[in-house]
Amino acid sequence: ETGVTQTPRHLVMGMTNKKSLKCEQHLGHNAMYWYKQSAKKPLELMFVYNFKEQTENNSVPSRFSPECPNSSHLFLHLHTLQPEDSALYLCASSQSAGQGANIQYFGAGTRLSVL
Amino acid sequence: GQNIDQPTEMTATEGAIVQINCTYQTSGFNGLFWYQQHAGEAPTFLSYNVLDGLEEKGRFSSFLSRSKGYSYLLLKELQMKDSASYLCAVRDSNYQLIWGAGTKLIIKP
Repeated sequence: ETGVTQTPRHLVMGMTNKKSLKCEQHLGHNAMYWYKQSAKKPLELMFVYNFKEQTENNSVPSRFSPECPNSSHLFLHLHTLQPEDSALYLCASSQSAGQGANIQYFGAGTRLSVL
Repeated sequence: GQNIDQPTEMTATEGAIVQINCTYQTSGFNGLFWYQQHAGEAPTFLSYNVLDGLEEKGRFSSFLSRSKGYSYLLLKELQMKDSASYLCAVRDSNYQLIWGAGTKLIIKP
């Protein structure tokens, strides 16, 4: 148990569906992250929120839309996805997103399959 | 561009020692991290190096040479449960983590 919980663990969706991924952290952290992990590829940072403000958007397509209502919750809204978006989506949190060690703690991820 | 290199796969024997290397080229350096990831599970933090030298934590040690852009993770007294992927990541000048693709470590009895 890392203190970061992601739901659902598995998701299968069609290209015309709309779904949302949820992440919740119980660590009292102020920064939250979305990553995409594809087989045999490095983790790709998608979005960063620091004190509820989005500080990073790494050229992510608009079919991915993040939402951070408070420091403990992070959502990733999905719509009109493509098959190449199939991957493991990981959420992480850290004390903050600036200087210092700011070790990131990860959830177990949502395995997404787009048909 | 920014790049982190680590071997794709390594095999070792239970009870032995294994060293997983990581070389990096990044825009700035604000620390290097090692994570362990078992199949289907969350990556879990192992170590953090920001100064040159060796950090020891039980059976695991991590070494850093900033001048060489090089780190290694040393695992001693290998156990079957150490079979996992090991991820190297460097925090760049923007405080973002740049990740390697991971090294899959296979432990044989």
